[in-house]
Amino acid sequence: DIQMTQSPSSVSASVGDRVTITCRASQGISSWLAWYQQKPGKAPKLLIYAASSLQSGVPSRFSGSGSGTDFTLTISSLQPEDFATYYCQQANSPPTFGGGTKVEIK
Amino acid sequence: QVTLKESGPVLVKPTETLTLTCTVSGFSLSNARMGVSWIRQPPGKALEWLAHIFSNDEKSYSTSLKSRLTISKDTSKSQVVLTMTNMDPVDTATYYCARTGSGYLSYFDYWGQGTLVTVSS
Repeated sequence: DIQMTQSPSSVSASVGDRVTITCRASQGISSWLAWYQQKPGKAPKLLIYAASSLQSGVPSRFSGSGSGTDFTLTISSLQPEDFATYYCQQANSPPTFGGGTKVEIK
Repeated sequence: QVTLKESGPVLVKPTETLTLTCTVSGFSLSNARMGVSWIRQPPGKALEWLAHIFSNDEKSYSTSLKSRLTISKDTSKSQVVLTMTNMDPVDTATYYCARTGSGYLSYFDYWGQGTLVTVSS
């Protein structure tokens, strides 16, 4: 199975900051990557699919990039509702998730 | 409006078999583009994909848990059922069902609210 490694595991940031989260696959996955946001006690929410495509209804401050083994999720200007945990997921079979990145208030 | 809702026991004993049901609405399990997966999350830990069923009834399972899992569906009832045998305390987790809408086992665009299952004697 393909292993997904996210970094950092946590980040402290302020409202308005630019935040970048990285995800590395143990082997090439082309652009078969998604990003999810999860708030405490809630189900994950799809933000980005196919590495850089924004899911309908997701604010444009979220963006994704990368291909092959290295991927990035960027939040251009952090908003109060963005404090959450973010997961990457590779979409080759079987799908696997990264360990998560918690975005905390600084 | 697409919704998924998990149901099942909140507490199971070690060695017992867990049976969870995902009831969906807003889409048909017979639609060629639709599939449903089960995904779990132990408290405070990351997500783990378990199993998937496609519209044509093809199934896919986690490599590490394949021997313990069975996924099935009843299209007429709009339900997907997961059974997991020989439950252990390490299987304590919130279990989610989630939809893929592309025809592939790819991205999960709709999720249920999740159901917490505790394994304890």
